[in-house]
Amino acid sequence: DQQVKQNSPSLSVQEGRISILNCDYTNSMFDYFLWYKKYPAEGPTFLISISSIKDKNEDGRFTVFLNKSAKHLSLHIVPSQPGDSAVYFCAARNYGGKLIFGQGTELSVKP
Amino acid sequence: NAGVTQTPKFQVLKTGQSMTLQCAQDMNHNSMYWYRQDPGMGLRLIYYSASEGTTDKGEVPNGYNVSRLNKREFSLRLESAAPSQTSVYFCASSPRPADGETQYFGPGTRLLVL
Repeated sequence: DQQVKQNSPSLSVQEGRISILNCDYTNSMFDYFLWYKKYPAEGPTFLISISSIKDKNEDGRFTVFLNKSAKHLSLHIVPSQPGDSAVYFCAARNYGGKLIFGQGTELSVKP
Repeated sequence: NAGVTQTPKFQVLKTGQSMTLQCAQDMNHNSMYWYRQDPGMGLRLIYYSASEGTTDKGEVPNGYNVSRLNKREFSLRLESAAPSQTSVYFCASSPRPADGETQYFGPGTRLLVL
């Protein structure tokens, strides 16, 4: 049973435009949500997070939105750059403190 | 500052063979983790060690064992490899348990079981 789902395996956007990556979850007890970025042949690196008591967190070009009633979060990247091309994983932290990851979305930003 | 290192980078095994994946961190972190990444499945936690001397099962522990050798090192052992264990394995560490923002990952070990 996939508790955290990223239903889009891939996304392609033009440089300078907005990239929106989506993530859905089923467990209302998750207390923290995170996005990780992964380049080929490297491990994931932390990008941005949001507490379940907030609905928005912004860090430069990256903004994460949380809609608890819909059990949905999204990552907005504005403006998108070719260097943003990577696989993005959303993750949720459960009551035991462990991270549950989604399947990942591969973002391609075209020059 | 090397961060989290993993050896080997790539390994081919035959079904039934055993091997140990090594992980070391030089950040003085208390907690360490082993994940596997499979296509369409994301990263799944195999085992973790909240602190030196403790280990606990994650989502997918069957077929694996771990050893927290000391604060720096956390190894993952496959006693009898199966094709279903073909995957990319990531080790990670964090200063404290449940610390997602500062969970640092190694570069991964790609394992192929024939």
